[in-house]
Amino acid sequence: GQNIDQPTEMTATEGAIVQINCTYQTSGFNGLFWYQQHAGEAPTFLSYNVLDGLEEKGRFSSFLSRSKGYSYLLLKELQMKDSASYLCAVEDSNYQLIWGAGTKLIIKP
Amino acid sequence: IAGITQAPTSQILAAGRRMTLRCTQDMRHNAMYWYRQDLGLGLRLIHYSNTAGTTGKGEVPDGYSVSRANTDDFPLTLASAVPSQTSVYFCASSSRGTGANVLTFGAGSRLTVL
Repeated sequence: GQNIDQPTEMTATEGAIVQINCTYQTSGFNGLFWYQQHAGEAPTFLSYNVLDGLEEKGRFSSFLSRSKGYSYLLLKELQMKDSASYLCAVEDSNYQLIWGAGTKLIIKP
Repeated sequence: IAGITQAPTSQILAAGRRMTLRCTQDMRHNAMYWYRQDLGLGLRLIHYSNTAGTTGKGEVPDGYSVSRANTDDFPLTLASAVPSQTSVYFCASSSRGTGANVLTFGAGSRLTVL
């Protein structure tokens, strides 16, 4: 079956760096997405990786290794507003998105 | 403001009742989706539509139906609600076929079936 694994919850300190990991087993691969979801709100797009390597976008970076079925989202200079759930999703060979359950990130001052 | 509008924001209804969740987008996206989100589970696709006039079943379609009469609207109907359909429902859209399939989500509809 298809599976996306990510930690349920993580805690980090304001100003620090945190890495959220995502491993996947899917029927084919057409890209990996990260979304941010604040409590009670809709998910919003953060990043997209289709080739191996690091994609940087401001304080957020996303890394992909297709051979290892692995990605991470790196958040630098953490701010209180970064407290949210981070969803990893993979587009499979049928162009359907498979979603992880999300990682709830708690930022402490 | 361009985006997706969902209605109602929240609803409580009795089991056995019929309910339609509305979804409208003004971005001229060709593809639209309905997801449900439950605590501890990832977003699960209920139904989707790649273009107006076509629909397809997702991972959890039973008990739900959709229609796509035009580009903008994609209503989701629960013919006879059951308590297991208590969830938060998100409508989403994308410009499928042009690069990364990035989804834009509506604000969600929280449904409680008693």
